Amino acid sequence: GAVVSQHPSRVICKSGTSVKIECRSLDFQATTMFWYRQFPKQSLMLMATSNEGSKATYEQGVEKDKFLINHASLTLSTLTVTSAHPEDSSFYICSARTTTGVIGNQPQHFGDGTRLSIL
Amino acid sequence: GQQVMQIPQYQHVQEGEDFTTYCNSSTTLSNIQWYKQRPGGHPVFLIQLVKSGEVKKQKRLTFQFGEAKKNSSLHITATQTTDVGTYFCAARTGPGAGGTSYGKLTFGQGTILTVHP
Repeated sequence: GAVVSQHPSRVICKSGTSVKIECRSLDFQATTMFWYRQFPKQSLMLMATSNEGSKATYEQGVEKDKFLINHASLTLSTLTVTSAHPEDSSFYICSARTTTGVIGNQPQHFGDGTRLSIL
Repeated sequence: GQQVMQIPQYQHVQEGEDFTTYCNSSTTLSNIQWYKQRPGGHPVFLIQLVKSGEVKKQKRLTFQFGEAKKNSSLHITATQTTDVGTYFCAARTGPGAGGTSYGKLTFGQGTILTVHP
């Protein structure tokens, strides 16, 4: 099945540090990847849609200068949390959608998530 | 934007009891997907329903898509401790929405299931 690898799984760092999270589709090409944020016992909140070779589309209320997204290839998207502060602490999950199948009906495959803790 | 309401938020059952979670939308859905997230884990795709009135089964799990394609349910028969986790429904907007909204998956709030042995 489709595998999405997300790295690192956990980050603990000081306030003001920038943190980069990588999301890779291992056995399929993903023209579109999604970045979600999840607070404890809450649902997944879509932050942005990352499209290969073009600018990411951010959801309302998500600061694009704060959460930099780069989707340079069909298998890699990165999310950089710039100058992170304690309020940025959260569980960040990426997902990727395969390019095969009926558009709109493809399932999304999720990475293992990155637990970010800013001290 | 697209909203999917999911209930209940929590469900505690004794092992062997049945469990059902429901999703409702005010708009017609092109399809609906179900995911399971174990504690500390990531969402795992379970199934996708596309057709009006569709019913699919996976062992003890039964998934239904309403005739009007505005609601869906997941039913687990005779729960086991391995069923614990959060179950999410997720829906895409239908064709014609245009732009990236067509490709976005909107998640329900999730139902946290605990099973007491």
